[in-house]
Amino acid sequence: NAGVTQTPKFRILKIGQSMTLQCTQDMNHNYMYWYRQDPGMGLKLIYYSVGAGITDKGEVPNGYNVSRSTTEDFPLRLELAAPSQTSVYFCASRTLIPRDAGGPDTQYFGPGTRLTVL
Amino acid sequence: QKEVEQNSGPLSVPEGAIASLNCTYSDRGSQSFFWYRQYSGKSPELIMFIYSNGDKEDGRFTAQLNKASQYVSLLIRDSQPSDSATYLCAVKGGSNYKLTFGKGTLLTVNP
Repeated sequence: NAGVTQTPKFRILKIGQSMTLQCTQDMNHNYMYWYRQDPGMGLKLIYYSVGAGITDKGEVPNGYNVSRSTTEDFPLRLELAAPSQTSVYFCASRTLIPRDAGGPDTQYFGPGTRLTVL
Repeated sequence: QKEVEQNSGPLSVPEGAIASLNCTYSDRGSQSFFWYRQYSGKSPELIMFIYSNGDKEDGRFTAQLNKASQYVSLLIRDSQPSDSATYLCAVKGGSNYKLTFGKGTLLTVNP
């Protein structure tokens, strides 16, 4: 059971290039999330998904796209990379243990992708 | 807009002391409250969650929740240098799937 995995770990892009950040989970979680974390800041939600074929925008979706064709995979696409997209990107998935069963109804994070746009 | 506020720190305590981390939130409908620990260069990991008013203890960690004051805190007793990390407060509303995170408090425990 690998949990949440992300590739690549590091990437440098030139302005205007595109790339896809990969995220896979093997816990059969329905809910998956993409966050970005800038230095000294908390996590900002980019997109999330409540199941295969269903995605929705978070706080900071501009410049990104997602798809969810399977339960396991939730790739994040950057089109026309900009320096403002330099950040660390975390993917997370969420258990569905109900609160009245003890919870914790929480999110488990992947190791992150550190992206630099020059 | 739902907000979660934390003192950014850094908070510095000597080894063996109690570290107190605080968090306030704006959404009165919030139902679930989480504390994540994040070591430098690593991903966040859940250390405590609390749903009801009062205290919840787990080893050296105690989470405290006061919904009337919209306040949640984390106490770390007998602080160790290995507790040095950024602590993120996260809040979930009653009817959505999303967590709102604070910016985090950097804790340094000095040997």
